[in-house]
Amino acid sequence: GAGVSQTPSNKVTEKGKYVELRCDPISGHTALYWYRQSLGQGPEFLIYFQGTGAADDSGLPNDRFFAVRPEGSVSTLKIQRTERGDSAVYLCASSRDSTTGTQYFGPGTRLLVL
Amino acid sequence: DAKTTQPNSMESNEEEPVHLPCNHSTISGTDYIHWYRQLPSQGPEYVIHGLTSNVNNRMASLAIAEDRKSSTLILHRATLRDAAVYYCILMEYGNKLVFGAGTILRVKS
Repeated sequence: GAGVSQTPSNKVTEKGKYVELRCDPISGHTALYWYRQSLGQGPEFLIYFQGTGAADDSGLPNDRFFAVRPEGSVSTLKIQRTERGDSAVYLCASSRDSTTGTQYFGPGTRLLVL
Repeated sequence: DAKTTQPNSMESNEEEPVHLPCNHSTISGTDYIHWYRQLPSQGPEYVIHGLTSNVNNRMASLAIAEDRKSSTLILHRATLRDAAVYYCILMEYGNKLVFGAGTILRVKS
């Protein structure tokens, strides 16, 4: 079946602009996770949804970052007033539910802030 | 979050077995040991996980020490497609994955 998809695959923006990154999880998966990966490092947790609600947003670096999942399926990560330090690969993962543990990752969105 | 320690890099010859070690001396009784790998320019991929007993699947085997303070991921016959960064992660069910730096595995033909 279809895996996790993320759009766009690449995004170039200018400092100060607003960006939205989209994640389509595997159909039927109720848990959805966002991670950020800087060059040469392992992914870093940002936020986790169980259904429509954010169960853990402790990884969001500041209030410029916000994520939603209004219908419990597709999620959007929103970044306001982008900074050059936000440049990274943003990864989305989903799992069947919050108890199975196995997470399936998408290919990521590569964000470059000029 | 529980911490793991892995070698920065390892090298293997194609068609030979590879043993990737992981130390997790502060593991708690409810922590599962997960392994993910990340091929170049791709998202991480689940490999295997276990709690106390050794585990086998089509990709690999996981050997867990009796005191659970260390584990070893075993690739039985390395191929060039196994060249990746391998992450050993401790996780309670339903929780976020906390990635370290992982082990870069290089496979020589």
